[in-house]
Amino acid sequence: EAGVVQSPRYKIIEKKQPVAFWCNPISGHNTLYWYRQNLGQGPELLIRYENEEAVDDSQLPKDRFSAERLKGVDSTLKIQPAELGDSAVYLCASSLRQGGGETQYFGPGTRLLVL
Amino acid sequence: GNSVTQMEGPVTLSEEAFLTINCTYTATGYPSLFWYVQYPGEGLQLLLKATKADDKGSNKGFEATYRKETTSFHLEKGSVQVSDSAVYFCALNNYGQNFVFGPGTRLSVLP
Repeated sequence: EAGVVQSPRYKIIEKKQPVAFWCNPISGHNTLYWYRQNLGQGPELLIRYENEEAVDDSQLPKDRFSAERLKGVDSTLKIQPAELGDSAVYLCASSLRQGGGETQYFGPGTRLLVL
Repeated sequence: GNSVTQMEGPVTLSEEAFLTINCTYTATGYPSLFWYVQYPGEGLQLLLKATKADDKGSNKGFEATYRKETTSFHLEKGSVQVSDSAVYFCALNNYGQNFVFGPGTRLSVLP
């Protein structure tokens, strides 16, 4: 079974430019997460989707970040405009909630460098 | 709120040494507990999990036991290898809520 797919794996942009990340979750997983991971730290949640609905976007900086999950499958995360402090790894994860339990599976991440 | 605390790193061991990485948690209810491992340049990979008290999760020689009385989920391995060098994250999840991750512990195993 294919895992969580993310693209691109690496992105270098100049500040004030837009950037977008794409995620394809594991087939059948109804929950999708976007995280940001700064160097030497753990993942920090940006947004959580249940199917196509964003059920928790409280940590998403909405002035510059946006996300969508059309048809409850693939998702994109966008930053516009990017700032130097946005340099980080952006991780996508998916999970299937079943029987009172949930296990999260991560993609390889997109490494963003803003110059 | 829910939180996870794990031992500060880095942890440096010689090959074949015994490994313990401590993890304690604060949570309401009965969360599931996880250990994830992150190798350089990769995403987090599920290492093991436990869903109820006294459960033992195990994988690739790693073990952790869900101890509700001490709110702990310490990771252990009897004999580490150079290939185990990575960052290890303890995490918890209450059903229907977000996952909560610890800050990670970097392990370096020297030949």
